[in-house]
Amino acid sequence: NAGVTQTPKFQVLKTGQSMTLQCAQDMNHEYMSWYRQDPGMGLRLIHYSVGAGITDQGEVPNGYNVSRSTTEDFPLRLLSAAPSQTSVYFCASKKGGSNGISYEQYFGPGTRLTVT
Amino acid sequence: GNSVTQMEGPVTLSEEAFLTINCTYTATGYPSLFWYVQYPGEGLQLLLKATKADDKGSNKGFEATYRKETTSFHLEKGSVQVSDSAVYFCALSIHGSGNTGKLIFGQGTTLQVKP
Repeated sequence: NAGVTQTPKFQVLKTGQSMTLQCAQDMNHEYMSWYRQDPGMGLRLIHYSVGAGITDQGEVPNGYNVSRSTTEDFPLRLLSAAPSQTSVYFCASKKGGSNGISYEQYFGPGTRLTVT
Repeated sequence: GNSVTQMEGPVTLSEEAFLTINCTYTATGYPSLFWYVQYPGEGLQLLLKATKADDKGSNKGFEATYRKETTSFHLEKGSVQVSDSAVYFCALSIHGSGNTGKLIFGQGTTLQVKP
């Protein structure tokens, strides 16, 4: 199993540009999520999905879009990049179900995004 | 609301010293509690977890006990090594949409262990 994979590892954008961060998992996990990590603030949830075709907003969703057309993939789209979106982005997945709160979440290696 | 508070870092220790990283939480209902570790340049990985009050999670010499009465989940290790240098995140999981459980993280505590 490759686990959770993310591409690209690094990206530099100019203000106003758009791009998509890719995330894929091969563990057949129902639940997938995107976080951003900023110094001194831990990880903050951007969007999450409990299954194909179902997405919901997290703590900091503004400026980001997601879709979940398959179980495996959960791309994150930046519509018009801003310097405030400079961050490290992590995708994660876990099993779903009624015991979901006790399951381990698996993280990808991250994408380091700089917006100038 | 639901939140996690960790002690401020960085924490700097000598090898073989005793480690405690404090974590307290507020939550509605009965959360599961986790410690994740992030080594330099990598994603987060689960270190240990506890799913109900008085449970003790343990892994790689690290331990944490779920204390409902003090709403705490402090991380301890009796003798740290240089290889333990990393950022440690305390987190709780609460029921969300579809009962899958969203993670809420503390701000992270950087541990540096010197030889």
